[in-house]
Amino acid sequence: DAKTTQPTSMDCAEGRAANLPCNHSTISGNEYVYWYRQIHSQGPQYIIHGLKNNETNEMASLIITEDRKSSTLILPHATLRDTAVYYCIVRASYGGATNKLIFGTGTLLAVQP
Amino acid sequence: DSGVTQTPKHLITATGQRVTLRCSPRSGDLSVYWYQQSLDQGLQFLIQYYNGEERAKGNILERFSAQQFPDLHSELNLSSLELGDSALYFCASSAGTAAGGGRTNEKLFFGSGTQLSVL
Repeated sequence: DAKTTQPTSMDCAEGRAANLPCNHSTISGNEYVYWYRQIHSQGPQYIIHGLKNNETNEMASLIITEDRKSSTLILPHATLRDTAVYYCIVRASYGGATNKLIFGTGTLLAVQP
Repeated sequence: DSGVTQTPKHLITATGQRVTLRCSPRSGDLSVYWYQQSLDQGLQFLIQYYNGEERAKGNILERFSAQQFPDLHSELNLSSLELGDSALYFCASSAGTAAGGGRTNEKLFFGSGTQLSVL
């Protein structure tokens, strides 16, 4: 699975959009981009995933560049409850023997009142 | 609520002891994954089981073992405990398929974890 690079930490004002970048320059054609988040000491929570098209769900939007070497997770109206570590993970699309996730260090997003 | 249940929530024990962590996956999920999270190592994948069989192994120590039972619940056994084994242990589950341990774009659902403190 391709390696990802994320900023260590970011701040965002409450009510504003939070844009979390992720670089995955070695991503291959069959690899998806997944985003999970972990609120302090809780289990990680799935947010969104995508291959090459932009995706949106009730939690967030995912923008993937045309060359697929980077992506941005957008939380449109951040609240204090969105303060968490956000993990960008690249994983092959085929299930194969395992769908394990390999977590990096993620980005600590601090939403400020 | 993810639907994944882990017990106990907290466990305090002494060095050299043995403990068992339990995980009940979401209803219908066949795959169970174990992760360890310590302050200096982050979230580390330990091992995965699919329908009772080991599917993938990560950075799991020889002192640690796991199994998945016919009712699909899983247990992680940690023995000869050391101070450095103190960590949060998470279990996750996913649906899985008969063709393999996972299918395309499976999401993993995580439990709330077991906090292990080795004194």
